[in-house]
Amino acid sequence: DAKTTQPNSMESNEEEPVHLPCNHSTISGTDYIHWYRQLPSQGPEYVIHGLTSNVNNRMASLAIAEDRKSSTLILHRATLRDAAVYYCILRDVGGKTSYDKVIFGPGTSLSVIP
Amino acid sequence: DSGVTQTPKHLITATGQRVTLRCSPRSGDLSVYWYQQSLDQGLQFLIQYYNGEERAKGNILERFSAQQFPDLHSELNLSSLELGDSALYFCASSVRGQTYNEQFFGPGTRLTVL
Repeated sequence: DAKTTQPNSMESNEEEPVHLPCNHSTISGTDYIHWYRQLPSQGPEYVIHGLTSNVNNRMASLAIAEDRKSSTLILHRATLRDAAVYYCILRDVGGKTSYDKVIFGPGTSLSVIP
Repeated sequence: DSGVTQTPKHLITATGQRVTLRCSPRSGDLSVYWYQQSLDQGLQFLIQYYNGEERAKGNILERFSAQQFPDLHSELNLSSLELGDSALYFCASSVRGQTYNEQFFGPGTRLTVL
């Protein structure tokens, strides 16, 4: 299974943009890049996902490198509520049934400073 | 609120016992996932069901079993409990459970084995 590598922790000032990196050098052509976050004492929540092109939604933007070996989750204006663990995971769309194991790494713990 | 419900919220039991955790997916979602989150292991994928059938298996112990019923709710059965089984157990659901579908996580069941 393709793995991802993220920094253990990052800090950001409130109302500043945050760029959370993820390396996935062994990504295959059929892997989707998904981001989830887990706020303290809650279950993870979906943030965004993409395959090749950059993606935007109401929560964040996802910038995917041209070679797809890395990606960056961008929070445009960090708020205190964005303090969470952010997980970058790969989901393989290949195979007969498009089902697979889901592998979460340790993620990046984001602290937001008021 | 993700729309996924899990019961009970907390469960305290003794070693050697058996417990059942229950999950109701979001309305319309056909696939259910189970995860275990402990302090030292992070978020570990256990098993996935789609419309009553097992679809993907992760690091699920033989002492653990799960099923998804015709009404699409799912149960995770943990038997011969050990101290190391103490963890948060999350259920997630998605529309069809394919790799590009986002998952919606429940609030979790905290299991304490004494």
